[in-house]
Amino acid sequence: KQEVTQIPAALSVPEGENLVLNCSFTDSAIYNLQWFRQDPGKGLTSLLLIQSSQREQTSGRLNASLDKSSGRSTLYIAASQPGDSATYLCAVGDRGSTLGRLYFGRGTQLTVWP
Amino acid sequence: GAVVSQHPSWVICKSGTSVKIECRSLDFQATTMFWYRQFPKQSLMLMATSNEGSKATYEQGVEKDKFLINHASLTLSTLTVTSAHPEDSSFYICSAGLAGALGTQYFGPGTRLLVL
Repeated sequence: KQEVTQIPAALSVPEGENLVLNCSFTDSAIYNLQWFRQDPGKGLTSLLLIQSSQREQTSGRLNASLDKSSGRSTLYIAASQPGDSATYLCAVGDRGSTLGRLYFGRGTQLTVWP
Repeated sequence: GAVVSQHPSWVICKSGTSVKIECRSLDFQATTMFWYRQFPKQSLMLMATSNEGSKATYEQGVEKDKFLINHASLTLSTLTVTSAHPEDSSFYICSAGLAGALGTQYFGPGTRLLVL
C-alpha cells in the first residue's frame, strides 16, 4: 500500500522567505503527483500536477519537482507572502490501483507572518 | 474550469439520524466520483469510489451499510451517513474524475458534519 509522508508537519516563517516543502512516497509506481492547498475548513485547490514522466512543473512562485526513483517530491515557494498561509497537501496517483485513486500525505501547515 | 459543488456545506444532527450529502459536477460529466473523510489535523482518507450506474467500491474498514453511496447520474453522487454517531463527525469531501483525463480529480468544497 502506498504511504505518503510530508515533512515538516508545520512551518512558520517571516514574509519574503523562500520555502521548501517535502513529500516522500513508498511505491515509485505512480501515475502522477499533485500538490494541493487547503485553507481552514475548506476544500482543496490544485496547485501543480506532475505526470510520472515529468520532472517538474512551475506556476508563478511555485515550483514542484519529482524524483520518482527516490520517491520524493519538493514544493518550492519563492518570496512567501502571508496569503500563502494554508495547509499544503501532497497526493500520489497510484498507477496500479483503481482509476484515479489518490493517496494523501498529512500535509504541511504553513504560516507566513508579516 | 471544472467545478464541483457539495450540499450542504455544514450540517448538525442528532445521534441516530441519517444525513445525506450531495456532490455535483456542475459543468462536466464525471465518470467516477470519490468520497473522502478528513479528521482534524489528519489527511484525507478515501472512503469509496463510485462509478455512474454501478455499485460503489469501498475501502477496507469503511462500512458500506453505514455509508450509502448512490451515483445515479454522471453529474450527481450522494453519500448518506445512516444512524450517525458522534464519532462520524468529520469533514467529508468529494471529488469528481474527468472522463478522458486519467488521474485528474476536481474537489468539492467539503461538508462539515457534527453529530450531537
